Amino acid sequence: AQSVTQLDSQVPVFEEAPVELRCNYSSSVSVYLFWYVQYPNQGLQLLLKYLSGSTLVESINGFEAEFNKSQTSFHLRKPSVHISDTAEYFCAVSPMNTGFQKLVFGTGTRLLVSP
Amino acid sequence: DVKVTQSSRYLVKRTGEKVFLECVQDMDHENMFWYRQDPGLGLRLIYFSYDVKMKEKGDIPEGYSVSREKKERFSLILESASTNQTSMYLCASSSGGSNYEQYFGPGTRLTVT
Repeated sequence: AQSVTQLDSQVPVFEEAPVELRCNYSSSVSVYLFWYVQYPNQGLQLLLKYLSGSTLVESINGFEAEFNKSQTSFHLRKPSVHISDTAEYFCAVSPMNTGFQKLVFGTGTRLLVSP
Repeated sequence: DVKVTQSSRYLVKRTGEKVFLECVQDMDHENMFWYRQDPGLGLRLIYFSYDVKMKEKGDIPEGYSVSREKKERFSLILESASTNQTSMYLCASSSGGSNYEQYFGPGTRLTVT
């Protein structure tokens, strides 16, 4: 079985400041890793994913995440946030040993960006 | 663009009623999923389907059933709604293969009184 821990339920930050949203996972098998974002009153959308290759992955809007296998982490970072980044961010994993592509989600981190 | 639609954004039902939540995707995806989202608990998988008429239980299937008679449509059924089923329900679909991206609908906020 898999589990995902997002220790920070809420992260307040000022506009243009850097931010890191933490994600740790536990799994007895290898996993794929994902970050999804949910803007207010919307469904979730994929922000970035790690399937293989370079352990540093980037999104089109300036976020990046680094897969650290030894620390079982996949922290999300952005060097300078905008007001429009205010949203809830979910880390998720999917075990590699199944074709069903099930996702196990963390409890989410609400990013609050203020001017 | 992949589109996943859900039949209602908001729904209010009474305890004991039978409730149907409908989800339709337009990208010929093999896999479809139902989650519920609760504050502080994140998203939890209720049921998923990897083919027409095929279904698998997720992590919290109790009190729910599903139906997938056509590839594009996946229904979640609450046989006898209870107040502890008040939640946001999210449907998702994925193509299978090596992509692994799930596409989500906007959600249905169900209130059971």
